[in-house]
Amino acid sequence: NAGVTQTPKFQVLKTGQSMTLQCAQDMNHNSMYWYRQDPGMGLRLIYYSASEGTTDKGEVPNGYNVSRLNKREFSLRLESAAPSQTSVYFCASSESGTAREPQHFGDGTRLSIL
Amino acid sequence: AQSVSQHNHHVILSEAASLELGCNYSYGGTVNLFWYVQYPGQHLQLLLKYFSGDPLVKGIKGFEAEFIKSKFSFNLRKPSVQWSDTAEYFCAVNGLGNNRLAFGKGNQVVVIP
Repeated sequence: NAGVTQTPKFQVLKTGQSMTLQCAQDMNHNSMYWYRQDPGMGLRLIYYSASEGTTDKGEVPNGYNVSRLNKREFSLRLESAAPSQTSVYFCASSESGTAREPQHFGDGTRLSIL
Repeated sequence: AQSVSQHNHHVILSEAASLELGCNYSYGGTVNLFWYVQYPGQHLQLLLKYFSGDPLVKGIKGFEAEFIKSKFSFNLRKPSVQWSDTAEYFCAVNGLGNNRLAFGKGNQVVVIP
């Protein structure tokens, strides 16, 4: 059982380049999330999708777009990468998105913007 | 808006020592509380959670946490740590009707053999 799978695991971009981070879950979860993790900052929510067909902004959405392609997949796109977007990105999912559901995390994508 | 505070970002202790990590939150309503652990190079894993009932909850690997409503706190404890407990620990909170978790900044714990 793979859980939450993120690709790629590592990526280096130049400023201004675009990129899409992929996330897929095989747990039939309804809700999916994208976070970024920066040293001393904890995890900050970028975007989330409460259910297939819906997306909402989180705490730090600027510079990002998302697509909930289907129930399994939730992608995060950087249209014009900036050095401030250097971070570790985590995708997560939860069964129903209600407050009591724990979230299940992927292994992360380590992204460096030069 | 809900927020979470974790103090003492870096903690270094020896094996067999006791560990306590503080977590305070600001949210006026009913909350759901979580502790997640991130071992080096791995993803976040759920350590324990509290929704209601007994305010002392037990999680995996000998960890426990106590919810004190009057202090808006959910502190994590382990009586005797092991080297394998070296990890970063995150407290997270959300309110009923809100499916967005707010995370604290984390506690980096290093256990020296």
